[in-house]
Amino acid sequence: QVQLVQSGAEVKKPGSSVEVSCKASRGTFGNSTINWVRQAPGQGLEWLGGIIPILDIANYAQKFQGRVTITADKSTNVAYMELSSLRSEDTAIYFCARYSAVGRKHFPFDIWGQGTMVTVSS
Amino acid sequence: VLTQSPDTLPLSPGERATLSCRASRSVGDNFLAWYQQKPGQAPRLLIYGASSRAAGIPDRFSGSGSGTDFTLTISRLEPEDFAVFYCLQYGSSPFTFGPGTKVEIE
Repeated sequence: QVQLVQSGAEVKKPGSSVEVSCKASRGTFGNSTINWVRQAPGQGLEWLGGIIPILDIANYAQKFQGRVTITADKSTNVAYMELSSLRSEDTAIYFCARYSAVGRKHFPFDIWGQGTMVTVSS
Repeated sequence: VLTQSPDTLPLSPGERATLSCRASRSVGDNFLAWYQQKPGQAPRLLIYGASSRAAGIPDRFSGSGSGTDFTLTISRLEPEDFAVFYCLQYGSSPFTFGPGTKVEIE
């Protein structure tokens, strides 16, 4: 069973950028989509965007257009999420999550990474 | 936009839980999923396609509904079921989550 393993916690200054990685272990990305979801402290879940590594096509939530970049290296099965122009409101746990499909069956966010805490503070 | 009700649901083990998720417009292909999240953990997929259980999910969890109104039912609550539950629409971009319902021990 594929697992998603994320990079460690980050502390960043306002205005800077952060990059979080998500590596598939015990398997590959295959033809799935890797998505990024964040959760501010005590709050709900928010989708930032996703990428189909095999096609190198990314899709972003309009709210984050221009600030988020999602990339993937299909040769190493690692996906990356970079968020720029950080502000305090970006303090959150950032999760990667797999969206897979088999025929007409879609399995949204069926496998999740462990989460990466990003703290934005001066 | 997805709304969930109630915000909080106080129940006892063994009771039935009924959670609602309502969309502001029809969810394409009934692409509506439910997740359970416990403190300090990533969410876990319970239901996809409005009514299909994900692998390994006990049959006390069931999903129903179509269009704009969806329901997650837990037939008999087990102690490990108390958590926050989120719905997700993935029928159109951007994917959106509901604000969550917390099922707590009464």
